[in-house]
Amino acid sequence: DTGVSQDPRHKITKRGQNVTFRCDPISEHNRLYWYRQTLGQGPEFLTYFQNEAQLEKSRLLSDRFSAERPKGSFSTLEIQRTEQGDSAMYLCASSLALDTKLFFGSGTQLSVL
Amino acid sequence: DQQVKQNSPSLSVQEGRISILNCDYTNSMFDYFLWYKKYPAEGPTFLISISSIKDKNEDGRFTVFLNKSAKHLSLHIVPSQPGDSAVYFCAASDGSGGSQGNLIFGKGTKLSVKP
Repeated sequence: DTGVSQDPRHKITKRGQNVTFRCDPISEHNRLYWYRQTLGQGPEFLTYFQNEAQLEKSRLLSDRFSAERPKGSFSTLEIQRTEQGDSAMYLCASSLALDTKLFFGSGTQLSVL
Repeated sequence: DQQVKQNSPSLSVQEGRISILNCDYTNSMFDYFLWYKKYPAEGPTFLISISSIKDKNEDGRFTVFLNKSAKHLSLHIVPSQPGDSAVYFCAASDGSGGSQGNLIFGKGTKLSVKP
C-alpha cells in the first residue's frame, strides 16, 4: 500500500495557462475525491468519482475545471485559463465505497502568477 | 455559511498536559464526524472518527466526544506530546442523499505542544 500519490507536488504557472494534475489512489479504493484548500481554510470538496463515473460536482467547480477518471484508476484535474484565484493546494483522496474515512495525498500546490 | 466551525485558530499546551480541541456544527443531518491532523506540506491524515449513534470514541491517547443536543464535538489528547503539534481539522458527513464521503471541514485549529 503506497498511499495516495499526487503529481506534481508544486506547479507555478502564468495566468491564462492550462494546468493538469494527476492523482493515483490506493489501488483497491473505488472512490476518488478532489478537494481544494486555501490558506487559513479547511479543504473544500470539488468533485468525486465512483469507479469511472463522476457522481457529484461542487458549485466551486467552474466550467474551467474538468476532472476525469477514464479507467476507474488514476484521475486528472485540469484547470483551463488559470486565474490568480485558482492558487491553492489541490488535494486528492480515495476511499472504499460506503466508507466515509478518506485517505489524502500530499497535494499539488498551485501558484498562478 | 459555515456548517462546521472551529472557533479557536490556535491552542498552546505544555507537554504531558491535556489538549482539548473543539468543533461545532449546524447541520442536524450530519451523522458521522472525523478528526484529521495535518503537518505543513502534507495532506490531512485521519486520526479518529465517531458515529452520531455514539457519544464517545477512544483510540489510545485520543478521545472524541459528541454532544448531539449541543451540536458540539471535542477531541481530547492526553498526554500531549511535541509530535502532536499540527493543524487539526474537524470534518462532518451527511450520509443521506448519496453524498457519502463529501466531507465538510472546519477551518482548523493549530496545536502547539511545548516541551
